[in-house]
Amino acid sequence: DGGITQSPKYLFRKEGQNVTLSCEQNLNHDAMYWYRQDPGQGLRLIYYSQIVNDFQKGDIAEGYSVSREKKESFPLTVTSAQKNPTAFYLCASSITEEYSPLHFGNGTRLTVT
Amino acid sequence: KNEVEQSPQNLTAQEGEFITINCSYSVGISALHWLQQHPGGGIVSLFMLSSGKKKHGRLIATINIQEKHSSLHITASHPRDSAVYICAVRGAQKLVFGQGTRLTINP
Repeated sequence: DGGITQSPKYLFRKEGQNVTLSCEQNLNHDAMYWYRQDPGQGLRLIYYSQIVNDFQKGDIAEGYSVSREKKESFPLTVTSAQKNPTAFYLCASSITEEYSPLHFGNGTRLTVT
Repeated sequence: KNEVEQSPQNLTAQEGEFITINCSYSVGISALHWLQQHPGGGIVSLFMLSSGKKKHGRLIATINIQEKHSSLHITASHPRDSAVYICAVRGAQKLVFGQGTRLTINP
């Protein structure tokens, strides 16, 4: 079955360490997204990519980095520069950026202490 | 004021009741999405609509472009419908998400 796989589901890190969250899709979608979800807030866009080897910053890109070397993969690195990294991170994809439904992964809950 | 407002924020009902969740937005949009998030965190896309009404099983979504308002209805609600329902609108360049409505259906 096609879908989006995020791993791991839970991740724990010490402050000051970089950490990479995995996102893989086998839907053959061009567009991929990373969102952050905090309690009581709507999803906020971190980065998005419309095509391989290209990506754009979203609303809250500071302290994060991404790569898109393959169509199927869009890993997110949470760097030590991110001041409040503890959150729930969701990866999504769509056929194109516009006018197509979003498909979401099951998320990664990151806790930094 | 948020660009996307959902109401109510929390809703508890008995099994079998008719449920309505509302979404109002303040920007021009090309499409509106309704999403469902289960306790485990994963999100499923329920509807994407730009006009009129769509139905899938017991779920119905409507949108009124002139009034900048959409509703999600659930008929014959069931405890498995318990989830957070999220409205998202596609504006000029991006999706903007509402805060979500937490629905609890008691047996």
